[in-house]
Amino acid sequence: EIVLTQSPGTLSLSPGERATLSCRASQSVTSSYLAWFQQKPGQAPRLLIYGVSSRATGIPDRFSGSGSGTDFTLTISRLEPEDFAVYFCQHYGSSLYTFGQGTTLEIK
Amino acid sequence: QVHLVQSGAEVRKPGASVTVSCKASGYTFSAYYIHWVRQAPGQGLEWMGRINPKSGGTYYSEKFQGRVTMTRDTSITTAYMELSTLRSDDTAFYFCARLIVSIQSFDFWGQGTLLTVSS
Repeated sequence: EIVLTQSPGTLSLSPGERATLSCRASQSVTSSYLAWFQQKPGQAPRLLIYGVSSRATGIPDRFSGSGSGTDFTLTISRLEPEDFAVYFCQHYGSSLYTFGQGTTLEIK
Repeated sequence: QVHLVQSGAEVRKPGASVTVSCKASGYTFSAYYIHWVRQAPGQGLEWMGRINPKSGGTYYSEKFQGRVTMTRDTSITTAYMELSTLRSDDTAFYFCARLIVSIQSFDFWGQGTLLTVSS
């Protein structure tokens, strides 16, 4: 089972800044089944990115995903006030679905 | 529009069982697997398993094997997740989510059901 480790645990930035969130897999991800979710307090997760780099329906283009092998990145180019939330990466492989522990993006 | 609406909060004592429902609407229920994911308060997401609404076939995370049962009623487009032999560390929000097979990820989620296990 692949373990996903996200860093940093907490990221403190200001609106307008660029955010870079990392998701590292314990083994090389051979498929493209790597996704990112955003979760706000009291809400269900929301799909942002799937297939490493494809934006889900309705997701603004300031969100982008990249990476390969064991290292994946979610980038938010210019932070808007509504982007401050918790972000999770997710992988599928060998009939199992795993999530990273999350990165909290907070207002500085 | 797609909606997954879950049943309300539950409180159980250790050792008891609970069933959470997930009512689907706005799409063909049998065409998409329903998965269950839980989240302890302030913690990360943990995948529990899935059901194929068309066949009723299930696949569970090894962690929950023997304690979880997922079923569905196609006549009312509802999926169910029963968790038995509850412990205090089962206290969590439980989410149902629709899987898109081509991307192996979840595009719509229920609102979550809080289960509290306490004596």
